[in-house]
Amino acid sequence: ETGVTQTPRHLVMGMTNKKSLKCEQHLGHNAMYWYKQSAKKPLELMFVYSLEERVENNSVPSRFSPECPNSSHLFLHLHTLQPEDSALYLCASSQEQGSGANVLTFGAGSRLTVL
Amino acid sequence: GQNIDQPTEMTATEGAIVQINCTYQTSGFNGLFWYQQHAGEAPTFLSYNVLDGLEEKGRFSSFLSRSKGYSYLLLKELQMKDSASYLCAAADSNYQLIWGAGTKLIIKP
Repeated sequence: ETGVTQTPRHLVMGMTNKKSLKCEQHLGHNAMYWYKQSAKKPLELMFVYSLEERVENNSVPSRFSPECPNSSHLFLHLHTLQPEDSALYLCASSQEQGSGANVLTFGAGSRLTVL
Repeated sequence: GQNIDQPTEMTATEGAIVQINCTYQTSGFNGLFWYQQHAGEAPTFLSYNVLDGLEEKGRFSSFLSRSKGYSYLLLKELQMKDSASYLCAAADSNYQLIWGAGTKLIIKP
């Protein structure tokens, strides 16, 4: 049990579909993150929320839309994706955002395949 | 630009010692992290170094040289369960994490 739960674990969608990824943490953390992990590439930070406010958006295409309704939940809404968006999407949380020993706790990821 | 370099893949023998190197170039520096990621699982935190020197934690140790922009993760008494990817990440002046692509460690009996 990592403390961060992501659903679904696997998702296959067509380019015209709309789907959402969900992330939940009950660690009492104040910051939550979405990362994209592609094979043999560094983790790409997509979005950061601190106390439910978005503080980082790393030039992510608008077909990815995050939502943070409260400090325990984070969503990534997906629409009109492209095949190159196929990847593992990792959610993470941390006690604070923008501090020294800011240890991230990751979920196991949602493996997305876009056909 | 900001960059992290680490080997793509390493192979070692059960019971042996292996050292995974990481070099970094960042705008400012606020520490170096190592994470372990087993296939299909979440990355998990292993170590954090912000001062020069060696930090030991059981079979795993992590070293940092700020002047050289260099870190390594040392794994002793290797076990089959240590087969995983090891991710190096450096925090820049804004505490943004710059990630390496990961080192896949294969342990052979």
